Amino acid sequence: GAVVSQHPSRVICKSGTSVKIECRSLDFQATTMFWYRQFPKQSLMLMATSNEGSKATYEQGVEKDKFLINHASLTLSTLTVTSAHPEDSSFYICSAREGSPRAPLHFGNGTRLTVT
Amino acid sequence: GENVEQHPSTLSVQEGDSAVIKCTYSDSASNYFPWYKQELGKGPQLIIDIRSNVGEKKDQRIAVTLNKTAKHFSLHITETQPEDSAVYFCAAKTSYDKVIFGPGTSLSVIP
Repeated sequence: GAVVSQHPSRVICKSGTSVKIECRSLDFQATTMFWYRQFPKQSLMLMATSNEGSKATYEQGVEKDKFLINHASLTLSTLTVTSAHPEDSSFYICSAREGSPRAPLHFGNGTRLTVT
Repeated sequence: GENVEQHPSTLSVQEGDSAVIKCTYSDSASNYFPWYKQELGKGPQLIIDIRSNVGEKKDQRIAVTLNKTAKHFSLHITETQPEDSAVYFCAAKTSYDKVIFGPGTSLSVIP
């Protein structure tokens, strides 16, 4: 089945530093990838949609300069949290879809970000 | 904007009993409804999905029903087992190609 690998699974960083999270589709080409954020015991909130080779589309209220998304290839998308602050601490999850908009979303195992 | 509601937020059942989770969606143009299971510290795992041209779909102990007129869809798990304990999310794909999640249901199956 379709596998999405997300790395790292956990990261701790200091306030003011930047953190990069990678999302890879291992056995399929992902024309579209989605980034979600999840707070404890809450649902997944869509942050942005990225299509390979084009700029990401951000949801309302998500700062594009703070959450930089790059989708440079059909198997890799990255999310960089710039100048991280404690309130950015959260569980970040990527998902990928192969080709057609009718294809299901497959999720990575998430990245637990803690900003101290 | 688009919204997905889900009930109940928590559900406890005895092993072997059935569990039902219900969702409603707001975007009448939504045409795809996946269900995900999330275990602690992991990403969501797709367990079943249904499209708008189908009223019901079953996969072993799991079934999903869809009522497009009422904008309701439900997940049914029969013969529940302890390993079914997890958080379950319903979702709907909107006309803008976004998958919006419900708030989740924490299911506990008591041995």
